[in-house]
Amino acid sequence: DTAVSQTPKYLVTQMGNDKSIKCEQNLGHDTMYWYKQDSKKFLKIMFSYNNKELIINETVPNRFSPKSPDKAHLNLHINSLELGDSAVYFCASSHRSGMGKNIQYFGAGTRLSVL
Amino acid sequence: DQQVKQNSPSLSVQEGRISILNCDYTNSMFDYFLWYKKYPAEGPTFLISISSIKDKNEDGRFTVFLNKSAKHLSLHIVPSQPGDSAVYFCAASARNDKIIFGKGTRLHILP
Repeated sequence: DTAVSQTPKYLVTQMGNDKSIKCEQNLGHDTMYWYKQDSKKFLKIMFSYNNKELIINETVPNRFSPKSPDKAHLNLHINSLELGDSAVYFCASSHRSGMGKNIQYFGAGTRLSVL
Repeated sequence: DQQVKQNSPSLSVQEGRISILNCDYTNSMFDYFLWYKKYPAEGPTFLISISSIKDKNEDGRFTVFLNKSAKHLSLHIVPSQPGDSAVYFCAASARNDKIIFGKGTRLHILP
């Protein structure tokens, strides 16, 4: 009974392609996130949505477009993939306020390889 | 600019002994600190946290210590068990802002 699930787990694609990664959480959280873990192993936030509204947008190329159809889903679409986009992408969710705020629950990650 | 630093990429500890993982931060606005544990091919999982109004928080075998004047926190695991072998990420946030993660320390528990 996975709390935060993301698909696919692995994604291998050619440069220039467009791809999407999906994320769903069944924890009843109101905030969802996308992180990128690069080759240097840093886990860096890319985007955050609270109740379908974008609240954090780090300096990320506009080829990356998050979409939140509802509170439980946050998808990541990437256009014109580049070699440097190869990384592991993690989805996470949390409560925005109250008990347990700031404690984020992560999906298992999507390993993207751009050839 | 690394606001959260874990200067030891790896640490090996004998089973049953104490594991001490260290973390330094530079941003004095951070008011909440967390430790996450990550196994290969899985996402990070929350382990323990501490608010800046405290200097210690304990949960079973895990204790986090915070030294605000030194901008330093540490995670103590005692006794260390084989299942503790993982990568441990230190993280910090300021007033409900985004969480900044360190680079992680790989802990090996030796039999």
